[in-house]
Amino acid sequence: DAGVTQSPTHLIKTRGQQVTLRCSPKSGHDTVSWYQQALGQGPQFIFQYYEEEERQRGNFPDRFSGHQFPNYSSELNVNALLLGDSALYLCASSSQGGGYEQYFGPGTRLTVT
Amino acid sequence: ELKVEQNPLFLSMQEGKNYTIYCNYSTTSDRLYWYRQDPGKSLESLFVLLSNGAVKQEGRLMASLDTKARLSTLHITAAVHDLSATYFCAVEMIQGAQKLVFGQGTRLTINP
Repeated sequence: DAGVTQSPTHLIKTRGQQVTLRCSPKSGHDTVSWYQQALGQGPQFIFQYYEEEERQRGNFPDRFSGHQFPNYSSELNVNALLLGDSALYLCASSSQGGGYEQYFGPGTRLTVT
Repeated sequence: ELKVEQNPLFLSMQEGKNYTIYCNYSTTSDRLYWYRQDPGKSLESLFVLLSNGAVKQEGRLMASLDTKARLSTLHITAAVHDLSATYFCAVEMIQGAQKLVFGQGTRLTINP
């Protein structure tokens, strides 16, 4: 049973560019959440997707957007990258709209130069 | 706004000693989690605490929850080097969406 998978593992981008990160949830899960973890900090909630809709958003600007596909996988898009966007981006999945424990993927390390 | 505070933020201890990490949170929550994170890695779930008075143990780690005091503790017994990592507590709110609010993390270093 595959757990949560994320791609790519590492990514280097330049300021002003755009990036797309991908997440496949654990088998049987239908809810995907995204978190940003800056170096030395705890993860911060970006948003959650369920039934292809964004359910709730954390304190992140509109440059951060997402999508959920019918197969429950999800993408996180970040436009106009800033140096401060450098972080580990974690995807977490859960089932039935969030009534159960979230499972985290291995993360994507984004470096903005 | 829910706030989660951990202390200490840094902890250096010797093998064989006992210590406790504290996690305080500001509002009623649905669940509380403890995670371990090794450098450059993702989060490893250690414990999920659901109700007041819940206590869970795995090896040298024991977690407890006091919902009235809005306090959880992670107790380390007879520490070993392999437990060196950063430990996070996270409080889960299920209101419209399932959202985890994390503490700052406790960086634990266990010296031989």
